[in-house]
Amino acid sequence: GNSVTQMEGPVTLSEEAFLTINCTYTATGYPSLFWYVQYPGEGLQLLLKATKADDKGSNKGFEATYRKETTSFHLEKGSVQVSDSAVYFCALSDQSRGRRALTFGSGTRLQVQP
Amino acid sequence: GAVVSQHPSRVICKSGTSVKIECRSLDFQATTMFWYRQFPKQSLMLMATSNEGSKATYEQGVEKDKFLINHASLTLSTLTVTSAHPEDSSFYICSARDPGTGIRTEAFFGQGTRLTVV
Repeated sequence: GNSVTQMEGPVTLSEEAFLTINCTYTATGYPSLFWYVQYPGEGLQLLLKATKADDKGSNKGFEATYRKETTSFHLEKGSVQVSDSAVYFCALSDQSRGRRALTFGSGTRLQVQP
Repeated sequence: GAVVSQHPSRVICKSGTSVKIECRSLDFQATTMFWYRQFPKQSLMLMATSNEGSKATYEQGVEKDKFLINHASLTLSTLTVTSAHPEDSSFYICSARDPGTGIRTEAFFGQGTRLTVV
């Protein structure tokens, strides 16, 4: 079946540091890929997405490129801020049997220190 | 964007009691909602797909008699954890997509409910 693997956290960075959170996936067919972010005390929010190979999703300075050859969708940001501290989830759309549910990675907690 | 509201955000209950969690779509009608569960340091795992006006579809290994799902209207789905036990303590979260959109569009999530059974 489908699966998503994320790097374990927490990831602790200083403000303005470069961020990479690795995400790889296993899927049948051609899934869409998503990054969701969960700030403390809030629900999950879509950060960015990519629907086909070589697409780059971007939002709020974050980027991720859909790499079919390496089955990866790594999240990057050039300069993190304290306000980026949150849990980040990589996910793919589950196309098996026509369902609309998402398959998630385990989440990576990012802590940015001033 | 669309908003999904989940209530309560936290609940503590005694072993053997039942707890109801509500999930509402505030500005769209959701024919389908999804219920996930998350254990500490683990992924969100799909428990069931809630279908308006019909029975929910449960994932393998999820006890339908323990986790009762009702989707009586296009804006409300409820998850009831019956006869809760400490091992049911977890983070439960619901989500929904705008109807008519494909699987390539975003899903909207509730805030989640932290259930602690003592």
